[in-house]
Amino acid sequence: NAGVTQTPKFHILKIGQSMTLQCTQDMNHNYMYWYRQDPGMGLKLIYYSVGAGITDKGEVPNGYNVSRSTTEDFPLRLELAAPSQTSVYFCASVQPGGLGTGELFFGEGSRLTVL
Amino acid sequence: AQRVTQPEKLLSVFKGAPVELKCNYSYSGSPELFWYVQYSRQRLQLLLRHISRESIKGFTADLNKGETSFHLKKPFAQEEDSAMYYCALSGGSNYKLTFGKGTLLTVNP
Repeated sequence: NAGVTQTPKFHILKIGQSMTLQCTQDMNHNYMYWYRQDPGMGLKLIYYSVGAGITDKGEVPNGYNVSRSTTEDFPLRLELAAPSQTSVYFCASVQPGGLGTGELFFGEGSRLTVL
Repeated sequence: AQRVTQPEKLLSVFKGAPVELKCNYSYSGSPELFWYVQYSRQRLQLLLRHISRESIKGFTADLNKGETSFHLKKPFAQEEDSAMYYCALSGGSNYKLTFGKGTLLTVNP
């Protein structure tokens, strides 16, 4: 049981290029999330999904796209990368249950630099 | 709108000293509050949640609805407690978490 796996761990991108950050989980969780973490700013929600075929915007969705074709995978695509997208990206998943459950399981993060 | 405030970016204490990491929140309904921790070179992980009223690694946190606070406390800090701590709020469906900006705790020997 690997939990939440993200690839790549590190990547350098040129301005204007596009790329996809991969996220997969083997816990059969319905809910998945993408956050970005910037120094001194905490984590901001980019996009989330409550199940295959369903996605929705979070707090900072501009410049990103997602898809959810399977329960396991939730890739994040950066279109026309900009320096402002330099960040550490975290994927997370949760299986909703009763009140008090809902612990998010996080991946190890993907550190992206846009130059 | 929901908001989580952690007023201290950095907190430094000596081993054996008490530690308190502050967290205040803003939410109109009944929130679920969490503390997540990120140790060096490790992934973010849940430390504790208010609904469980549990003590994990000697840490406790009590939800004070009157003061809208969820401060994290430990009576005797250990060096291995050095980490980044995030307070988070889940205010509705979909388990979307709103995070504070985090407090970096350093426990000195």
